[in-house]
Amino acid sequence: GAVVSQHPSWVICKSGTSVKIECRSLDFQATTMFWYRQFPKQSLMLMATSNEGSKATYEQGVEKDKFLINHASLTLSTLTVTSAHPEDSSFYICSARIRAMETQYFGPGTRLLVL
Amino acid sequence: AQRVTQPEKLLSVFKGAPVELKCNYSYSGSPELFWYVQYSRQRLQLLLRHISRESIKGFTADLNKGETSFHLKKPFAQEEDSAMYYCALGDSWGKLQFGAGTQVVVTP
Repeated sequence: GAVVSQHPSWVICKSGTSVKIECRSLDFQATTMFWYRQFPKQSLMLMATSNEGSKATYEQGVEKDKFLINHASLTLSTLTVTSAHPEDSSFYICSARIRAMETQYFGPGTRLLVL
Repeated sequence: AQRVTQPEKLLSVFKGAPVELKCNYSYSGSPELFWYVQYSRQRLQLLLRHISRESIKGFTADLNKGETSFHLKKPFAQEEDSAMYYCALGDSWGKLQFGAGTQVVVTP
């Protein structure tokens, strides 16, 4: 149980285009989903917290107009990288939890390469 | 400021030898500490959390508030323990801050 999926697993796009990444909780309802970014050989950095039905909360230094997050249902959150640039190339990972202070379950990640 | 420090980027041990991964933290409130593991080509998964005080796959970790540490230990390393290990600190909102990670390589 407690499986989180991400789609796509990898994506290559041209600079200036937008890319949408989906995060789904497959067998549970997630009140909260988190989005992380991981650069090569670095740790995960929290980008934003997404609560179902409300606006996402972004960490300091993360541009909310660039990284649009939508959490429309209890099983789906999407991250859209708008007007992507090569420096946005990274590994994006989501996690989901059922209730506050409970375990976060992680997705497999999405590798984004912006040319 | 909230911080998680894992001083070792790489830890190489022989099979059967003890292994200890260091984690120190700074946090003004009551900390919740976790160890996550990422095996090659797999997703991040929870190894253990301090409030459960259980042993998973032979690993244990004790929260030492005096030394602000949450070191991960296993008395006898196995080859399948080779992985990336992250210490993480949870705040009062349940958000996680990860350490830089320690790559463990267990050689036969």
